[in-house]
Order: sequence, then C-alpha cells, then structure tokens
Amino acid sequence: GDQVEQSPSALSLHEGTGSALRCNFTTTMRAVQWFQQNSRGSLINLFYLASGTKENGRLKSTFNSKESYSTLHIRDAQLEDSGTYFCAAEAGQGGSAKLIFGEGTKLTVSS
Amino acid sequence: EAAVTQSPRSKVAVTGGKVTLSCHQTNNHDYMYWYRQDTGHGLRLIHYSYVADSTEKGDIPDGYKASRPSQENFSLILELASLSQTAVYFCASSVRGHYEQYFGPGTRLTVL
Repeated sequence: GDQVEQSPSALSLHEGTGSALRCNFTTTMRAVQWFQQNSRGSLINLFYLASGTKENGRLKSTFNSKESYSTLHIRDAQLEDSGTYFCAAEAGQGGSAKLIFGEGTKLTVSS
Repeated sequence: EAAVTQSPRSKVAVTGGKVTLSCHQTNNHDYMYWYRQDTGHGLRLIHYSYVADSTEKGDIPDGYKASRPSQENFSLILELASLSQTAVYFCASSVRGHYEQYFGPGTRLTVL
C-alpha cells in the first residue's frame, strides 16, 4: 500500500544549529502536511503544501510531488523545538482524502 | 484556526465493554476523521465522514464503528473493547477533502 518513509528517526541538535527532515513517498501524493507533536501529545500544524516551498520563521518546507518527497528544514534550533515531527501525505481519489503518516522524527534540542 | 475538541481526554475501559469517544468541531467543516496512534508510531485512519449521517471506512476500521449525527459531531464507538485497542485516539476535521486537517487534543484510551 501507500507508504511514507520518514528519516531520520531521531535527531539531536544543539541550540542555534539546524538540520533537515525528509519524507519519501512510495507513490504520487496530492499534498503533504507537517506536524509537531509536543510533550503533551498535541499535534501542531506546521505546514500544508500541495506544491513548492513555504517558510514560517525558522522553519521551511518543500514538497516535490514529481519526485515524491518532502523536506522540513529547521534553522537556529531552540529548546522549544524539541518534540516529534510527523509528515503526513494526502492520498485518495476524487473527493475523499486521507492522511498517511510517517513514523516520525524525534528531535531533541539541547543547550 | 480550527477548533476541535474531544471527550473524554482519557478513559480506562474493561475488556468487552462498550466505549464511545466524542468529537466536536465548531468551524463548519464538512470532513471529520478518526485516527489512532500507538506509542512511538504515526497515526492511522480508522473512519471518516464527509456529511452528516454518513461514514466511510479508513485503513483500520475493524472493531470500530463511527457515527456522524450532525456536521459538528463525530463519535467513535468500540462495541467490545479489546486490549489491542489501547491507544491515543485523535479526531480531525477539514473544510473539504484535500484541504488541511486540524486535530483535536486526543483521547488516551486504556483497555484493561
């Protein structure tokens, strides 16, 4: 079935540094969402992309549907960025839609 | 921003018992979804609905029923709870299909 492969599974950063998270898709997806799951378990919407690149503060995300991948770049990492990051790709034909989640990247930011 | 609320926030149930999880959204969204998250994993779709009084099966519907009595409310029903249904359950909504989904805070269900 449709799959979302997310990497790395875990990532450690020092404050002020940056890195990239990646999701690869096994089939063509219509859109991608990125979430941060915080320590309370809540899912925080970061980005929704049907194509191209979006930026919000220290975060930037790109979705390349043709090459079946998406990336999330974090720069100048802060302690509050710690949490688990999920990408979720939108599949489905016609009017229906479902999100297929990756397994997440656990990010730990330390001082 | 979409407001999706869930109740209860946590529940302990006994094996074989009936469990109903409730979701309410106040943003006039047509689509609502139920997902489950097992510890250390991503979310998986159980059921969804795009109109009141109609529900559709997701990827893992076995052991679950759903009910959409109104546009604002969407319930997930476990008729005979089992140990394997211990998980965190998330409700989500979107204005239509193929639009951004907004998630509720989750319900932690423990089946003993």
